[in-house]
Formats: sequence, structure tokens, C-alpha cells
Amino acid sequence: AQSVTQLGSHVSVSEGALVLLRCNYSSSVPPYLFWYVQYPNQGLQLLLKYTTGATLVKGINGFEAEFKKSETSFHLTRPSAHMSDAAEYFCAVSGNNFNKFYFGSGTKLNVKP
Amino acid sequence: DTAVSQTPKYLVTQMGNDKSIKCEQNLGHDTMYWYKQDSKKFLKIMFSYNNKELIINETVPNRFSPKSPDKAHLNLHINSLELGDSAVYFCASSPRDGVVNGEQFFGPGTRLTVL
Repeated sequence: AQSVTQLGSHVSVSEGALVLLRCNYSSSVPPYLFWYVQYPNQGLQLLLKYTTGATLVKGINGFEAEFKKSETSFHLTRPSAHMSDAAEYFCAVSGNNFNKFYFGSGTKLNVKP
Repeated sequence: DTAVSQTPKYLVTQMGNDKSIKCEQNLGHDTMYWYKQDSKKFLKIMFSYNNKELIINETVPNRFSPKSPDKAHLNLHINSLELGDSAVYFCASSPRDGVVNGEQFFGPGTRLTVL
């Protein structure tokens, strides 16, 4: 079985500061890990994903995430926050169970001027 | 050129009514999904269809009935609406191996309010 825990339902950073959104997962099989972003009143968009290979993955808009198996984590970072980054971010995990996606409860990112 | 579309965008109705939400994708994907996002933003899968066949049916009341007339459409019909059904419902689609590659494309959502 798979599950996801996102630490911090709300994160607030200043413009230009580091963005760090935490995600820990539980999986009985090698996981596939994803970050999605949801802007207000919109659907979810894929930011980045880890399936196999390099554990540091780069996504759109300068976001990165690193898969750390020993820590069962997949934290999302961006070196410098922009006002346009304000949104809800969801971490998700799937295993080898076809079509099964498990989302975390989301982290709302607020960016202060 | 919308990839995944849903109608209506907003739906306000009384308890006990029956309503439908429509979803269409023009991406040629084989698999479609319905998700429910509650007031706390928790997103949970409800159903998944692959080529018109039901793949996943999570613990959802049988008042909810998905229908897939063809692989480009997955509609959600809800009978005897209850207050707890108020949520945002998202439709999504993916290629055959979409889960493995994370390529789920989401619609804009339908905000259902039951009064």
C-alpha cells in the first residue's frame, strides 16, 4: 500500500527566498513520485516526477525534487520564490498497481512581497 | 483546444436532487478518472475507466454512478444528493501507462454545492 504525508498545510516565504515543501511517502514497492501544482480555481498540473534513474529531478519553473530512499522523502524546492508560485502543491505516489494514485493533503504556498 | 473539459463549472442544487457532471478529453487517452477534492483540499480518487471499462471503484456510495459512452468521455451521475457531496470534482485522463509516467491531465474542476 502507498500513502503520502505532506508536512505543513501552509508555508509562507518571502519573494526571493528558498521554497521547501516537504513530502514523505510510504510504499511497499518501489515508488513513483510526483509533485502537482494547483493554481486557484484550476485543475492540477504536473510539476515534476520521479520514476527511475537520477534521484534529483527537475521540473517546470525552476522547481526540483530529490528522491531519498533512506529518508522516504521527496521534498520540493525552488531556490528563489516568485509571487507567481503562490498555489497549492500536492505530492503523490503510485506503485506498480496500475491506475492507483495517492495524493497528499496539499501544502498551500504563500509568497510575501 | 482544451485537453480535458468538464461541464458545468459550478453546480448548485438542493438535497435529494439528481445531477450529472460531464467530462471529455481530446487527447486520445485510454484512461479517465474522477477525483473528489473536499473542503480541506484532500484529493481522493473515486473511479477509473480504461477504454470504457471500470478499473477502479473506491469506497464511494452507490449513489455515484460513472458512465463512459466512449473512451473520450466519462460522466458522473449522482443520485439523491447529500450535503456531504459538496466538493470540487475533477476529471482526469492519462495514456495507457499514464500512472507510471505521471501523465495525468486534469480538467478545471466542477464545484458542486448541495444546499
